[in-house]
Amino acid sequence: DAGVIQSPRHEVTEMGQEVTLRCKPISGHDYLFWYRQTMMRGLELLIYFNNNVPIDDSGMPEDRFSAKMPNASFSTLKIQPSEPRDSAVYFCASKGSYNSPLHFGNGTRLTVT
Amino acid sequence: AQSVTQPDIHITVSEGASLELRCNYSYGATPYLFWYVQSPGQGLQLLLKYFSGDTLVQGIKGFEAEFKRSQSSFNLRKPSVHWSDAAEYFCAVFPNFGNEKLTFGTGTRLTIIP
Repeated sequence: DAGVIQSPRHEVTEMGQEVTLRCKPISGHDYLFWYRQTMMRGLELLIYFNNNVPIDDSGMPEDRFSAKMPNASFSTLKIQPSEPRDSAVYFCASKGSYNSPLHFGNGTRLTVT
Repeated sequence: AQSVTQPDIHITVSEGASLELRCNYSYGATPYLFWYVQSPGQGLQLLLKYFSGDTLVQGIKGFEAEFKRSQSSFNLRKPSVHWSDAAEYFCAVFPNFGNEKLTFGTGTRLTIIP
C-alpha cells in the first residue's frame, strides 16, 4: 500500500499566481479530505468528498479556493489567485468507510511570497 | 458541534520517564476518538482509536489511551518514553453519526530530554 500521495512536497510561488496541489488517495478509499495546517489556526478541514462528490466545502476560506475529484484516484486543490496568507501545509487524507481512521499524506508546504 | 481541547501546548519529559497527554472532548454522545502523531515534515499517523467497548485501548509504539466518559477525557499514556517519541500529538473526535468531519485539537508538542 503506497499510502496517500501528495505532490508537490514544496511549492513556492508569487502572489497572484495560480497554485494546484494534487492528491492520490489510497486505492479503494471512498472518502477524501483536504486539510490546511498553520501555526495560528492548527488543522482546518477545507473540504471533503465521498465517492468523488463534494459533501462539505464550508471550510474553504474563499472563492479563490476550489477542489475537484474527477475520479476515485485523483483530487486537486487549486488556489487562484494565491496570496501570502495562503502559506501553509496542505494535507490530503483518505479513509475507507464512514468510521474508519483517516490516512494522511505527507503534505504540501506552500509558500506564497 | 463537537470540540476537542488539549490543554498542554508543550510538554518536556526525560527519556525513560512516563508520559500522559491530556485530551478533553465536548460532545453530546460518545464519539469516536483518535490520537495521531506528527513528526516534523510528515503527515499525521494514527496511534490508536476508540469506538466502543473496552475503555483502555492499546496503540502502536507502546502508547495507550483511556476513555473516561465521566470526565469527557481520552488521555494518552506511555510508561517509558524514547527520544524518538519527540513529535506533535493530536487528539481528534468524530461523531458517531451525522456529519463526517474529524475535529482535531490544537496539538501538544512533546520534547524529550536525555
